[in-house]
Amino acid sequence: SQKIEQNSEALNIQEGKTATLTCNYTNYSPAYLQWYRQDPGRGPVFLLLIRENEKEKRKERLKVTFDTTLKQSLFHITASQPADSATYLCALWMDSSYKLIFGSGTRLLVRP
Amino acid sequence: NAGVTQTPKFHILKTGQSMTLQCAQDMNHGYLSWYRQDPGMGLRRIHYSVAAGITDKGEVPDGYNVSRSNTEDFPLRLESAAPSQTSVYFCASTLRLPYEQYFGPGTRLTVT
Repeated sequence: SQKIEQNSEALNIQEGKTATLTCNYTNYSPAYLQWYRQDPGRGPVFLLLIRENEKEKRKERLKVTFDTTLKQSLFHITASQPADSATYLCALWMDSSYKLIFGSGTRLLVRP
Repeated sequence: NAGVTQTPKFHILKTGQSMTLQCAQDMNHGYLSWYRQDPGMGLRRIHYSVAAGITDKGEVPDGYNVSRSNTEDFPLRLESAAPSQTSVYFCASTLRLPYEQYFGPGTRLTVT
């Protein structure tokens, strides 16, 4: 069956460390992968998009990797800050079916 | 620009009642979607529209109707609400997928 998995347990890290969040998928062939940030009681906010033929994308302290062989994307936040505490969602875009499928998100807590 | 606006923010409905959730965007985006978000599940697309006058079903359309008479507005109608429709509803807009979507602040709906 088709699945997109993000760690349901919160990731708890110390300020200044690098946070790494994982998005794994099964039986999908995404052409693009997106990452969003969601704060409690708010709508998701777009962060980064990476194409299937790109290995890595960066934006300021954010870095995303996309490994279509492992069927995995990693989302890194370097020099993390308490303000980075939020839930992070990954989403797969399938060109073949014109669908955008979201993972359930991973909550990140950055301790001061 | 206000971006994507949604009303109401909260609402309680009785089983069998009807209501319309409002969504409006002022970014001249053609593509609008309605999603629902439930605990432990990813955002799931209900209906979408690629342009005024054109709507299509998403992955969980049962019990919902939409219309798109102009570029700005995309209301979501629940004709006969059921407790299973208790959820947080988000409207999102984009110039086109798979590029970044702008989400509204959400409507928290409870059906008793």
